[in-house]
Amino acid sequence: DTGVSQDPRHKITKRGQNVTFRCDPISEHNRLYWYRQTLGQGPEFLTYFQNEAQLEKSRLLSDRFSAERPKGSFSTLEIQRTEQGDSAMYLCASSSPRGGNEQFFGPGTRLTVL
Amino acid sequence: GENVEQHPSTLSVQEGDSAVIKCTYSDSASNYFPWYKQELGKRPQLIIDIRSNVGEKKDQRIAVTLNKTAKHFSLHITETQPEDSAVYFCAASYFGNEKLTFGTGTRLTIIP
Repeated sequence: DTGVSQDPRHKITKRGQNVTFRCDPISEHNRLYWYRQTLGQGPEFLTYFQNEAQLEKSRLLSDRFSAERPKGSFSTLEIQRTEQGDSAMYLCASSSPRGGNEQFFGPGTRLTVL
Repeated sequence: GENVEQHPSTLSVQEGDSAVIKCTYSDSASNYFPWYKQELGKRPQLIIDIRSNVGEKKDQRIAVTLNKTAKHFSLHITETQPEDSAVYFCAASYFGNEKLTFGTGTRLTIIP
């Protein structure tokens, strides 16, 4: 499968625990995005990378959230001290300037915080 | 920042009829407008997009129109089929700031 992949697909955790999600973009894509989607809503932008540089972070991204893309390939999104309000689908997307910046989404990681 | 509004929130059409979903955006700098289809439990999939240098784009049964002056764009699906049932999202962004701002979605149901 040459599309965007995410791991894990589902995560159930207790409030206060830390969780980490991984995203592997399409191999030639240098831009990687994280979005959060809650039930019945459209995806909301969290942050994006161009290569290894994190270029923008949303105000939605509190200091409990951190994202990295150390080698400009895969990315991780960590949530510390999870809260019930963090329960959502976390979507990753990637794009390439050569591809007209169309963003292709991964299957998402569904987080449930108990 | 950009704000995208989408209407209607739900739409039911008879199989074979046409469906139209409308979006408006607030930031006149936006110049890229994709549409995504999301089936239950699946990832959003890009179905068509349009850039601000054109007013209309068509791909088989799907077309998108853009009115930059009025800051609105629409998705048109003709000859609807049961497999068109899904949630559709519009979005907007601009060159140099590629984050997408999404609308709230339209749940389209095709009635056989």
